[in-house]
This record gives sequence, C-alpha cells and structure tokens, in this order.
Amino acid sequence: EDQVTQSPEALRLQEGESSSLNCSYTVSGLRGLFWYRQDPGKGPEFLFTLYSAGEEKEKERLKATLTKKESFLHITAPKPEDSATYLCAVQAVDNFNKFYFGSGTKLNVKP
Amino acid sequence: SAVISQKPSRDICQRGTSLTIQCQVDSQVTMMFWYRQQPGQSLTLIATANQGSEATYESGFVIDKFPISRPNLTFSTLTVSNMSPEDSSIYLCSGDRGREAFFGQGTRLTVV
Repeated sequence: EDQVTQSPEALRLQEGESSSLNCSYTVSGLRGLFWYRQDPGKGPEFLFTLYSAGEEKEKERLKATLTKKESFLHITAPKPEDSATYLCAVQAVDNFNKFYFGSGTKLNVKP
Repeated sequence: SAVISQKPSRDICQRGTSLTIQCQVDSQVTMMFWYRQQPGQSLTLIATANQGSEATYESGFVIDKFPISRPNLTFSTLTVSNMSPEDSSIYLCSGDRGREAFFGQGTRLTVV
C-alpha cells in the first residue's frame, strides 16, 4: 500500500540552528514527490517537486533532496518566519490522480 | 503558478443544513480535487472532480453526503450535506496541472 511518513512530528529550533525534516515513502512507482508549507488557517503553499533520485532543489533557506526511499527538507539558518507545518506528498505512476500526504512536521523557530 | 479562489473562507452552520463551497481557478487545470483537513491532521482526499461527469469518490466518502460539480475546467463546487458537528473541518480545493498541485486557502467550517 502506498504511504508517506514524516518525521519528526514537531521540531523546535533556535533561530540560526540548521536541521532537516524527513519524508519516507512507499509507492509502487514514484511520479513525483512534493513539499508544501502550511501556515495555520491557510491552504498548503507549494514549495518543490522532485522527480528522480539524486535530484535537489533550493529556495532561499530550504533545500529538498530525494532518494529512492525518502526525501529530506534541509533548513539552513532558519528564521522565525520559517515556522509552519511542512507537508510531503507523493504521486504514483499508476495512479497520478492522487496525492498521498504525510501527516506533516510542525516547525517552530524561536528568536 | 495557478491561483485558486475558494469561498466562503469560513462559515458557522447549524446541524442538518447544507453548505456549498465554490472553487475557481484562474487558468485551466487538468484535475481538480477536494480535500478535508481535520484539526491537527493532514489532508484526506474526498474526491476527484471530473468535468462533465460524476466525481470519483475515495473510500469513506459518498456522493449523497458530498455532492460535487465541475461544469468546466476552471470551476467546481463541493456541498457538505445534512451537516453534523463531525463535519467541522477545513475543506480545501486543489488544481493539478500535472507537475504540481495548487491549493485554495480553504474553507473553515464549524457545525453547531
């Protein structure tokens, strides 16, 4: 069964303290892995799509990487405004109508 | 990026009533989806909105409870029927152009 697991559930960092979020996935054939940011009371905001193992994408302090089993979202020198829930989702080759979402990592960056 | 407008943004409804949520995309999308996000949880897919035909529902969701329309490539509605407090949730519309999915801001529904 296709599934997505994110860890940790919650992460508290001091401003400037770099860390990584993990997204492990099991899917019959990966079409794409997506990272989203969600602020309280708002819809998810698209960050990255990764399609193949070894691929990396960057945006400001965020860098996403992909292997055959997992993806990491690296946060370098985070700021309080990076505080949000980060969601990971995958699309399968044989059922690309569906996004399978993980439960998210709630990041809190303290000044 | 596509822009998805969803309305209402929030509502408080009496149990037993129905609410229709509208989703408008600013450009054509291949697929449109409706999700539910209960407090503190991730997104659960309700159904895929198909243009000109009946929506495709996920396990646990039925058309009588969540009727969906999609009359064209940029517009869809979701109705939450005969509401109960358990339907209190955020409902999200999503559009997919194949390489990424975009989300509306969501409708926060409270049923009292």
